[in-house]
Amino acid sequence: EAQVTQNPRYLITVTGKKLTVTCSQNMNHEYMSWYRQDPGLGLRQIYYSMNVEVTDKGDVPEGYKVSRKEKRNFPLILESPSPNQTSLYFCASSLSKGQLYEQYFGPGTRLTVT
Amino acid sequence: SQKIEQNSEALNIQEGKTATLTCNYTNYSPAYLQWYRQDPGRGPVFLLLIRENEKEKRKERLKVTFDTTLKQSLFHITASQPADSATYLCALENSGYSTLTFGKGTMLLVSP
Repeated sequence: EAQVTQNPRYLITVTGKKLTVTCSQNMNHEYMSWYRQDPGLGLRQIYYSMNVEVTDKGDVPEGYKVSRKEKRNFPLILESPSPNQTSLYFCASSLSKGQLYEQYFGPGTRLTVT
Repeated sequence: SQKIEQNSEALNIQEGKTATLTCNYTNYSPAYLQWYRQDPGRGPVFLLLIRENEKEKRKERLKVTFDTTLKQSLFHITASQPADSATYLCALENSGYSTLTFGKGTMLLVSP
């Protein structure tokens, strides 16, 4: 089954404790991205990757890191999480960049930073 | 500045009626526009893509129009059902970038 998986689905952590949210897709997609979704602000893109070893900032990259060492995986790293990073996070992938291709979203990771 | 605007107020309609949702944008020149459905706590799911040279696109009970002069897309669900209740998002590519920007979405509530 074609899918995007994220782990963990729920995470409660404390300020400053480094964490990684994993994302994996099994569709051989080139393009992957991370979004956060907050009430009243909608979905905002954090980082994206157009292919292996090619990543770039989205609209809200501060406080986040990503890597793309393999085509299927695109982890999101919070080196020193803060309460303002409490949010619902989605990983997405598409065949390639751009509007022509639909984005497949993962199930989401609900992160709480206390 | 670039903006994508969708009605922030929920749209309440009765089962069987046609729901019409609006997506307006400013300072974009998108070649394509996408619509997604999102259920609470879940990831958005792709519904339809319409190109700038397509005035209308249909898929089963869904219809999307795209007016680049008005800078507007309309999303219609005909013969709506309670199962259509969800938030609907439109999305455009940010010109010159590789980022897809989403509107904040409109919640649709279909009552029996």
